[in-house]
Amino acid sequence: NAGVTQTPKFQVLKTGQSMTLQCAQDMNHEYMSWYRQDPGMGLRLIHYSVGAGITDQGEVPNGYNVSRSTTEDFPLRLLSAAPSQTSVYFCASSYSMVYGDTGELFFGEGSRLTVL
Amino acid sequence: EDQVTQSPEALRLQEGESSSLNCSYTVSGLRGLFWYRQDPGKGPEFLFTLYSAGEEKEKERLKATLTKKESFLHITAPKPEDSATYLCAVQAAGSGGSNYKLTFGKGTLLTVNP
Repeated sequence: NAGVTQTPKFQVLKTGQSMTLQCAQDMNHEYMSWYRQDPGMGLRLIHYSVGAGITDQGEVPNGYNVSRSTTEDFPLRLLSAAPSQTSVYFCASSYSMVYGDTGELFFGEGSRLTVL
Repeated sequence: EDQVTQSPEALRLQEGESSSLNCSYTVSGLRGLFWYRQDPGKGPEFLFTLYSAGEEKEKERLKATLTKKESFLHITAPKPEDSATYLCAVQAAGSGGSNYKLTFGKGTLLTVNP
């Protein structure tokens, strides 16, 4: 089991460029999510998905798009990068957020994005 | 709005010196409170879930406790390998979107010196 795999690990963009952060999990988890982590702030939820074809906004969704065509993959798209999107991005998955032992998120190792 | 406040922001201990980290929370109805550990350059790693006041969970040198307003992470006789940032998060009870979101605190950076 690889767990949650994020690519790329590091990326530098210029303002206005677009890119996609990839996230894949091999645990057959229904729930997947994207968080960003900034110095002095807690992890903040960007978007989440409760299954293939179902996505919803989190706390800070502006400037980001997501889709979920398969159970395994949950890419995060930056449409037109801005310096305010410089951050560390984490993808996380869980078997369920409403049944059983909820809140046990499995995180990837992060993608460090710098927007110049 | 759900809020999580962790204190202290940073804590430096000598090996073997026990202490506690605090997590105060405000949530409309608590479904669960979670503790995670994060090592530098890594993603958070799940430690504990607590569901109701009075509940306690233990793992090696760590023990998490929960009251109606706060949670403590007690570290007994810490070792240098316990050095990490410890994150607290809450999940609100209820229907709809609140079920699918964790609200995280800013974390406590723990350093244990040999």
